[in-house]
Formats: sequence, structure tokens, C-alpha cells
Amino acid sequence: AQSVTQPDIHITVSEGASLELRCNYSYGATPYLFWYVQSPGQGLQLLLKYFSGDTLVQGIKGFEAEFKRSQSSFNLRKPSVHWSDAAEYFCAATSGTYKYIFGTGTRLKVLA
Amino acid sequence: GAVVSQHPSWVICKSGTSVKIECRSLDFQATTMFWYRQFPKQSLMLMATSNEGSKATYEQGVEKDKFLINHASLTLSTLTVTSAHPEDSSFYICSAYPPGRATDTQYFGPGTRLTVL
Repeated sequence: AQSVTQPDIHITVSEGASLELRCNYSYGATPYLFWYVQSPGQGLQLLLKYFSGDTLVQGIKGFEAEFKRSQSSFNLRKPSVHWSDAAEYFCAATSGTYKYIFGTGTRLKVLA
Repeated sequence: GAVVSQHPSWVICKSGTSVKIECRSLDFQATTMFWYRQFPKQSLMLMATSNEGSKATYEQGVEKDKFLINHASLTLSTLTVTSAHPEDSSFYICSAYPPGRATDTQYFGPGTRLTVL
């Protein structure tokens, strides 16, 4: 069955520290991959997406993600976290049938 | 970028009543929209795919008679929670993608928080 896994439910980092959020997928073929951010009580904002090509994808707000086919992973990174980055982060995938499968999310807490 | 709105942003209703939630694509036409449900501190679960001019496609386990979807125009889809009960309390989010961009990014609405007393 197709699935998206985010192993870390909560992550806490200090402001200015680097960040990596993990995402693994299980699909028959390489899906299209996305990272979204959700602030409390808000909808989802797209950070970045991977369809094909360069495996290092740049997104908004200084985020980037690296697609690794061998590891079935699409981890999100940021070199220096800001307090405003505290939110819930969702990894999502679709095989092209318009149906997104979301991971369970990682809640990021940023310490001042 | 493409904008999707939802109305209302939050609603409180009594058990047994029906509630209608609107999802609008503001600057593009969407033949297909999606409705998701998100429980507190959990992920989004796709409930149904709303198709303009035809019946919605519901995911397994979603009661079509309870969650009525109408996609009457290319910019509006509505979700009606009929005879709502406290267990229907949740955060409902819709999404859509611009035409001709199949498999491309879905744009999400800001969500509607439903509380059933």
C-alpha cells in the first residue's frame, strides 16, 4: 500500500540551529513529493515540491529538501531556524492520480 | 499564486443540525476539488473528490449521505455535514488545482473548524 511516513512527531530546536525533518515514502514508482507547513488553525502552505530532475529542491522561507531514491526519502532541511518556523510540517505524495497521501506531520518547536 | 478560500472559518452548531461549508477557487477555475478532514494533532485524510457537474467520489469509509458534496460551478464546491454529531467535530480543509495542471500542486483553503455541541 502507498504510504508516507514522518518518523518524528515532535522536534525541538533552538533558534539559529539547523533543522532536518524526515520523510519516507512507499510507492510502486517514484511519486511527486511535497512539503507543506501548517500554522495553528490555518490551512497548508506549500514549501517546496519535487517532480523530477535535480534531487535538491529549493523552497520558500529558506527551506530545501533532498530526494534520495535509494532511501525512499525526501527530507526537509533549513540551515538556521527562526522562531517563526514553529509550526506543523507535512510531507505529502501523489502518484499522479490527484490523490495526495499525507504523513502524520512533525510539530516543530523553536526555543528562543 | 492560486488562492482557495473557505467559508465559514469556524462554526458551532447543535447536534442534529446540518452545516454547509463553502470552498471557492478565487482566481482560477477548478473542475476538481478535494475535501479533507483533520482531527486534532493528526494528519489530513482525504474524504472525497468533488467533480464539477457530476457526483463526488468518496473515499472508503466516508458516509456519502452524511457528507454531501455539491460542485455546482467551476469555482465553488460545498460540503454539507448532515445531522451533525459531536464526533463530526473536526477541521475540514478543501483544496483545488488549476486546470491543465494535473498532478501539479494542490492549493489548500484555510480550513473550517466545525464544533458540534
